[in-house]
Amino acid sequence: QKEVEQDPGPLSVPEGAIVSLNCTYSNSAFQYFMWYRQYSRKGPELLMYTYSSGNKEDGRFTAQVDKSSKYISLFIRDSQPSDSATYLCAMNKGYSSASKIIFGSGTRLSIRP
Amino acid sequence: IAGITQAPTSQILAAGRRMTLRCTQDMRHNAMYWYRQDLGLGLRLIHYSNTAGTTGKGEVPDGYSVSRANTDDFPLTLASAVPSQTSVYFCASSKQGGTEAFFGQGTRLTVV
Repeated sequence: QKEVEQDPGPLSVPEGAIVSLNCTYSNSAFQYFMWYRQYSRKGPELLMYTYSSGNKEDGRFTAQVDKSSKYISLFIRDSQPSDSATYLCAMNKGYSSASKIIFGSGTRLSIRP
Repeated sequence: IAGITQAPTSQILAAGRRMTLRCTQDMRHNAMYWYRQDLGLGLRLIHYSNTAGTTGKGEVPDGYSVSRANTDDFPLTLASAVPSQTSVYFCASSKQGGTEAFFGQGTRLTVV
């Protein structure tokens, strides 16, 4: 079993819809949770970074972490065609020299105009 | 513009040849990473370095080596390339081990 599971999609929604992207994980030691966006033939770029359980909002993006369920989500409000990309969740155990970032396999999202 | 620079952007390589992928960052980040990205498998960690002078093995280190002689550079070497090493390679860095990582634009490598 992978440490981080993510539905690969593809997920296609109409412009303006609310998008929900999710990941589950198995290691309860993970404390820091990240979402990256990757456009085709580009490197991943950091979107959101959260610590422990709770919500974090940044513009149209909201990240949620539920450590009790080992489940994280990224919500995109008022989705735009420019949001079409692959979204990767990532997580690690914290600030330490031994901590490595583990990535989900990514969900491909397409926003239809 | 501060960030991570990878070179080359793409390469076709004959099997058995030696190849070094270059990575340079100017953010004075302590930690650096090499990932490979394959369809359906996501990003897999090859090697990492938490600080200059130290390196560690990731999830898929076989066939690859790295060095970290200084803070800025983290080259990845394929000693004798094989077709299964065909992939997109991403270098990343973070302020310290375990914090959020920032990525380069990738090197698309094809081994034939």
